[in-house]
Amino acid sequence: ETGVTQTPRHLVMGMTNKKSLKCEQHLGHNAMYWYKQSAKKPLELMFVYSLEERVENNSVPSRFSPECPNSSHLFLHLHTLQPEDSALYLCASSQEQGAEKLFFGSGTQLSVL
Amino acid sequence: DAKTTQPPSMDCAEGRAANLPCNHSTISGNEYVYWYRQIHSQGPQYIIHGLKNNETNEMASLIITEDRKSSTLILPHATLRDTAVYYCIVRSSTNDYKLSFGAGTTVTVRA
Repeated sequence: ETGVTQTPRHLVMGMTNKKSLKCEQHLGHNAMYWYKQSAKKPLELMFVYSLEERVENNSVPSRFSPECPNSSHLFLHLHTLQPEDSALYLCASSQEQGAEKLFFGSGTQLSVL
Repeated sequence: DAKTTQPPSMDCAEGRAANLPCNHSTISGNEYVYWYRQIHSQGPQYIIHGLKNNETNEMASLIITEDRKSSTLILPHATLRDTAVYYCIVRSSTNDYKLSFGAGTTVTVRA
């Protein structure tokens, strides 16, 4: 248990669906991150939030829409996804942006049909 | 950030030390070496990091060569639960939030 909780653990959605991934951290951290891990590929950084402000949008398509309502919660809203978006989506947090340690959740395994 | 090179896989025996190598020949003076691991179906977990001195914590030891072009992560007494993908990452202190994960080394601990 790392103090970062992601829900749901598994999600299957059609290309026309809208769904949201949720991340919650109980560590009092000020920075939160979304990473994508596709099969056979390295982790890719998608978004970075620091003190609830987005500081990085790593050329991610607009069908992925992040939201950080407070420093403990991070959402990834999904709409009109493609099958190639199927991947493990990982949330992480750190004390502040640039802190030495990132704490990851267990991820949401997303399948787009 | 400097690129790292790791062997794709390695086996080690339970109870023995596991020595995981990493090459980072283009590392620059302000770049740290980080190690994370990812157990199957979990997110990555921080293990250790260092700049130029050797480091030890409750999980592992990190040995960095004097020229800083390579390092070795040592798991002193490997257990079956240490089976995971281990990532060696070089991160600049000025590029402050980007951890660039490569393919890592898949370590299998065998009984």
